[in-house]
Amino acid sequence: KAGVTQTPRYLIKTRGQQVTLSCSPISGHRSVSWYQQTPGQGLQFLFEYFSETQRNKGNFPGRFSGRQFSNSRSEMNVSTLELGDSALYLCASSLADRAYEQYFGPGTRLTVT
Amino acid sequence: SQQGEEDPQALSIQEGENATMNCSYKTSINNLQWYRQNSGRGLVHLILIRSNEREKHSGRLRVTLDTSKKSSSLLITASRAADTASYFCALQDNLFFGTGTRLTVIP
Repeated sequence: KAGVTQTPRYLIKTRGQQVTLSCSPISGHRSVSWYQQTPGQGLQFLFEYFSETQRNKGNFPGRFSGRQFSNSRSEMNVSTLELGDSALYLCASSLADRAYEQYFGPGTRLTVT
Repeated sequence: SQQGEEDPQALSIQEGENATMNCSYKTSINNLQWYRQNSGRGLVHLILIRSNEREKHSGRLRVTLDTSKKSSSLLITASRAADTASYFCALQDNLFFGTGTRLTVIP
């Protein structure tokens, strides 16, 4: 069974631009969660989607948004990028609920200059 | 804060030794999970322990949970160089991750 895939793996953007990251969960998994990982703040929960609906949202500004498609693939978007958005963005999928075992993708390394 | 705090922040041991890391938290939990992250395999789920469990084993891993002390420990026995990684505890249904323990196993 293929794992969680994320594209692109690396991305360099300029302040003020926007970016869209993509995540394909493991086949059959319906819950997709996104996390931001930085050296200073560690792993922080962004949001969770289940059956195309946002189920939970972390404490991030409205510039961070996401969506999930009917095939469970998910995208997250960050608008008006700031230097502090530079981070590793991780996507995780689970069968039905974020509460249980999650399978993480390799992440997208975003650098904002 | 609802994050867990791992202790120690960094740990260096010889191959074959045991490694113990701890996670302390402040709020009540339903379950606590441990993850490992290394550059080769990314973030990988290790074990989930529920609040009504005191101990769980998985291979060379042993996790304990003391809800009265609001703490959990992860023991890795007979460590290998491949165990070199950062280890995180996750609370509140994977909403909050700890700061991590960086384990280095010296061959």
